[in-house]
Amino acid sequence: ETGVTQTPRHLVMGMTNKKSLKCEQHLGHNAMYWYKQSAKKPLELMFVYNFKEQTENNSVPSRFSPECPNSSHLFLHLHTLQPEDSALYLCASSQALTGGAAYEQYFGPGTRLTVT
Amino acid sequence: KNQVEQSPQSLIILEGKNCTLQCNYTVSPFSNLRWYKQDTGRGPVSLTIMTFSENTKSNGRYTATLDADTKQSSLHITASQLSDSASYICVVSDQTGANNLFFGTGTRLTVIP
Repeated sequence: ETGVTQTPRHLVMGMTNKKSLKCEQHLGHNAMYWYKQSAKKPLELMFVYNFKEQTENNSVPSRFSPECPNSSHLFLHLHTLQPEDSALYLCASSQALTGGAAYEQYFGPGTRLTVT
Repeated sequence: KNQVEQSPQSLIILEGKNCTLQCNYTVSPFSNLRWYKQDTGRGPVSLTIMTFSENTKSNGRYTATLDADTKQSSLHITASQLSDSASYICVVSDQTGANNLFFGTGTRLTVIP
């Protein structure tokens, strides 16, 4: 285990539903991330939080709404999703923000989301 | 445009054989390159990370190489095992700021008995 947990592991929701994905890290890290992984596409960075403050929002549609109440927890609130939003949603954490420094990102197991 | 390309897209090898996966990138200015292993239905797990000055790094039966001049990296797997069946993802980071990670689409490796 990587020290990053995600719930639920699988989620099926209709386009009019509202649901939330949860991520928790037990590593004492300060940065947390949401990624989307679609089949045969590279991982897409969605949101980044550093010390509970959002630092990145990579042009993600407003039907995805992140929340970071503390450095250990990260949520992704979902509403009125589209079928093309079906994907594996991965949460990750790192000691600090990556980039110039080689801080390792630790990934959770992901939530497999299917939008019907 | 910053890109990371991996080849082959998929690979099937016999248990016990060696294999090499390739990663070419155009990311600049280069900061570091990572290889991740992702089992089906799981999140990626880091295998190696290399900075500009490193040209080889090993992690058990996995050996990564980096040629920063030609912007190429390879991941060599020795004496493959069934548990090596997974996707291997190359990730390159630039120096322009935090979170500038560029992901390849991965190579899907299947090891058969």
